Amino acid sequence: GIQVEQSPPDLILQEGANSTLRCNFSDSVNNLQWFHQNPWGQLINLFYIPSGTKQNGRLSATTVATERYSLLYISSSQTTDSGVYFCAVLRAGKSTFGDGTTLTVKP
Amino acid sequence: GAGVSQSPSNKVTEKGKDVELRCDPISGHTALYWYRQSLGQGLEFLIYFQGNSAPDKSGLPSDRFSAERTGGSVSTLTIQRTQQEDSAVYLCASSSFTDTQYFGPGTRLTVL
Repeated sequence: GIQVEQSPPDLILQEGANSTLRCNFSDSVNNLQWFHQNPWGQLINLFYIPSGTKQNGRLSATTVATERYSLLYISSSQTTDSGVYFCAVLRAGKSTFGDGTTLTVKP
Repeated sequence: GAGVSQSPSNKVTEKGKDVELRCDPISGHTALYWYRQSLGQGLEFLIYFQGNSAPDKSGLPSDRFSAERTGGSVSTLTIQRTQQEDSAVYLCASSSFTDTQYFGPGTRLTVL
């Protein structure tokens, strides 16, 4: 099946810093989503981005489908950004998640 | 509007007992997914329903696991003869034709 790799696995930032999270996938996909899992376990949609670039406030994402990767940018990080960020790809109905990037933002 | 809901939020059971977990998707969503997340791990795909098509059961870890979706809406995940390794958070998601998945809050299952 398709492989999804996220990097880095862990990231520690000082409040106000910027960061880039990466998601590589091994085959063509129908769609790609980024999620944030908060400390209470709830998965929150960030972006549905099979290709191109989208922005939402301090967050933006870019997917280059032909090169099989996606990037999530977090600018001016806040402590509330802490949690695990997952990338998930969908192919032929089956959804595959990466192992996530655990982000800790320190005040 | 209402999001995806799951019940119960927590379930503690004894090894060998059967459990049923329920998922109520967003109204009108044709696709429904079940995942399992063990402590500190990523999400493991279990099963996928799309409309009236036969479900994709390729992720079910054993024949003790089964799921059904009645009337194209509510879904129930059943685990028979639970084992301690079944302890995890079970997450349900639904989506419309856009394929954007929306997740429920999950059911935390603990098998003693």
